[in-house]
Amino acid sequence: KAGVTQTPRYLIKTRGQQVTLSCSPISGHRSVSWYQQTPGQGLQFLFEYFSETQRNKGNFPGRFSGRQFSNSRSEMNVSTLELGDSALYLCASSLAVRSYGYTFGSGTRLTVV
Amino acid sequence: AQSVTQLDSQVPVFEEAPVELRCNYSSSVSVYLFWYVQYPNQGLQLLLKYLSGSTLVKGINGFEAEFNKSQTSFHLRKPSVHISDTAEYFCAVSASNAGGTSYGKLTFGQGTILTVHP
Repeated sequence: KAGVTQTPRYLIKTRGQQVTLSCSPISGHRSVSWYQQTPGQGLQFLFEYFSETQRNKGNFPGRFSGRQFSNSRSEMNVSTLELGDSALYLCASSLAVRSYGYTFGSGTRLTVV
Repeated sequence: AQSVTQLDSQVPVFEEAPVELRCNYSSSVSVYLFWYVQYPNQGLQLLLKYLSGSTLVKGINGFEAEFNKSQTSFHLRKPSVHISDTAEYFCAVSASNAGGTSYGKLTFGQGTILTVHP
């Protein structure tokens, strides 16, 4: 079956712009989590959604937001981009919250210039 | 809150040699433990996980890990590595109790780069 699909794979944006990243989970998976990966901070949890509701949120500023649709697809949005937002953004899906069968996508590489 | 320390940032090893990647964690509550592998320009792949039961956990690609509650460790081992095992490895924890702000959240270590030389 198809894995977790993240689009786009690569993105270049200018400081001050906003960006929307998309994640399509494995069919039947209802939980979607987002992580930011940078060389300095490593892998950090952004948020988790289940049944269109945000169940958990990491320590990121309000510029980072997300949502989940009725088909479990998820988007995350970053407004007023800063250079420090350059990172690999990873999405993971699982059947349910705490099922711990997380499957990660290949990520979206965001570069802010 | 949980924290994870991977004791080695880089581990070089020769092909067919054994390897151990070390992971210690800190948590005020019971945890679940995971090891993930990341190949260049790819996402994370789950190698193995400890949720409960036997403290020796076997995973994919010949890897295994042992949960040691008293030493709060979850070291990853492979008896004989291959060139294809060259990658970055991440240890992660999550609170095992229901509810609370750690629900479903994975806390990762900083990663260990395993380089297998021929």
